[in-house]
Amino acid sequence: GAVVSQHPSRVICKSGTSVKIECRSLDFQATTMFWYRQFPKQSLMLMATSNEGSKATYEQGVEKDKFLINHASLTLSTLTVTSAHPEDSSFYICSARQGSSTDTQYFGPGTRLTVL
Amino acid sequence: AQSVTQLDSQVPVFEEAPVELRCNYSSSVSVYLFWYVQYPNQGLQLLLKYLSGSTLVKGINGFEAEFNKSQTSFHLRKPSVHISDTAEYFCAVSESGSQGNLIFGKGTKLSVKP
Repeated sequence: GAVVSQHPSRVICKSGTSVKIECRSLDFQATTMFWYRQFPKQSLMLMATSNEGSKATYEQGVEKDKFLINHASLTLSTLTVTSAHPEDSSFYICSARQGSSTDTQYFGPGTRLTVL
Repeated sequence: AQSVTQLDSQVPVFEEAPVELRCNYSSSVSVYLFWYVQYPNQGLQLLLKYLSGSTLVKGINGFEAEFNKSQTSFHLRKPSVHISDTAEYFCAVSESGSQGNLIFGKGTKLSVKP
């Protein structure tokens, strides 16, 4: 089956620093990648959708200057949390989809970000 | 706007018993419906999805779900659960004709006891 990886799995950083999270589709080309955020005992909340080679589309309430998304190739998308603060601590999950909107989204294992 | 409600946050059940995990959705347009499972320390895995056609959808690991448009429900069922089914289950909806963005419910923790 299709595999999506995320790196790192866990990261701890100081307040004010930036953190980059990578999402890779290992055995398929992902035309669309999604970034989600999950708080403890809460649902996954979609942050943004990115299509390869275009700017990401952010959901309402998500600061695009704070959460920078780059989808430079068909197998890699990155999420950079800039000037991180403790309230940005969360579980970040990416997913990737190969084709149309009815195709399956394959999810990565997630990245636990802790901002001190 | 769409929303998904999973009525039970936790469902404890004994091994080999049947189980139903409930999911209701709200949307003003036609939707696609999904169930995902998340095992500890793993990513979400698709169990099954409803796009169109037969309202009874069969998925992996013996799970099935039935789309009920009049009740706006998509409940997940399994006639006999195993210890290995212990996991978090998420119901999700996307608007047909959209980019396929998923709106998730809060999840139901299924705990299967021996």
